[in-house]
Amino acid sequence: DTGVSQNPRHKITKRGQNVTFRCDPISEHNRLYWYRQTLGQGPEFLTYFQNEAQLEKSRLLSDRFSAERPKGSFSTLEIQRTEQGDSAMYLCASRPSNGGASGANVLTFGAGSRLTVL
Amino acid sequence: AQSVTQLGSHVSVSEGALVLLRCNYSSSVPPYLFWYVQYPNQGLQLLLKYTTGATLVKGINGFEAEFKKSETSFHLTKPSAHMSDAAEYFCAVSEGANSKLTFGKGITLSVRP
Repeated sequence: DTGVSQNPRHKITKRGQNVTFRCDPISEHNRLYWYRQTLGQGPEFLTYFQNEAQLEKSRLLSDRFSAERPKGSFSTLEIQRTEQGDSAMYLCASRPSNGGASGANVLTFGAGSRLTVL
Repeated sequence: AQSVTQLGSHVSVSEGALVLLRCNYSSSVPPYLFWYVQYPNQGLQLLLKYTTGATLVKGINGFEAEFKKSETSFHLTKPSAHMSDAAEYFCAVSEGANSKLTFGKGITLSVRP
């Protein structure tokens, strides 16, 4: 098991361009989460999936953001018409649906995808 | 709604000194509480967690935290700091096993030789 994998690790783009990030969770994990982390702040919840179903979205997720998990395995997060305020680290995390062996709601995080919008 | 307060953004200690990182939470139900550590260019790694039962929980790398319901606190401690402990530390809360995690702003720990 290689953990949670995120690609690309770093993306630099010009304002107005579209970007897409990919997350490959731990294979047996049904739940997948996206968080955003800006400099000096903790991770902020964006959305989560149970298998292929998107069950909750934060109001932070504007209509320029869309996330998918088409087959209940990997997930993509797309940002359309990027703005400088979108510059952040986008973190993906996963966990089993039953919370794991202890049912403790422990998330395993990937290393993140850093977005810089010029 | 659940929330976490981590006062201050930076703590500096000498190698071998006590580490104390403070965390206070707000939750409408009995909380699940977590401490995560983040090293540069890496993802968040779980240090320890409290769900139910014993209020003093031990984690990796010699860290421990105590859940104090009356104080709504979950402070992280380590008796003797090591240079390798320098990192950013995040406290998080969830309202049970199926709620999303809400994180504090984080505290950067520096360790002086």
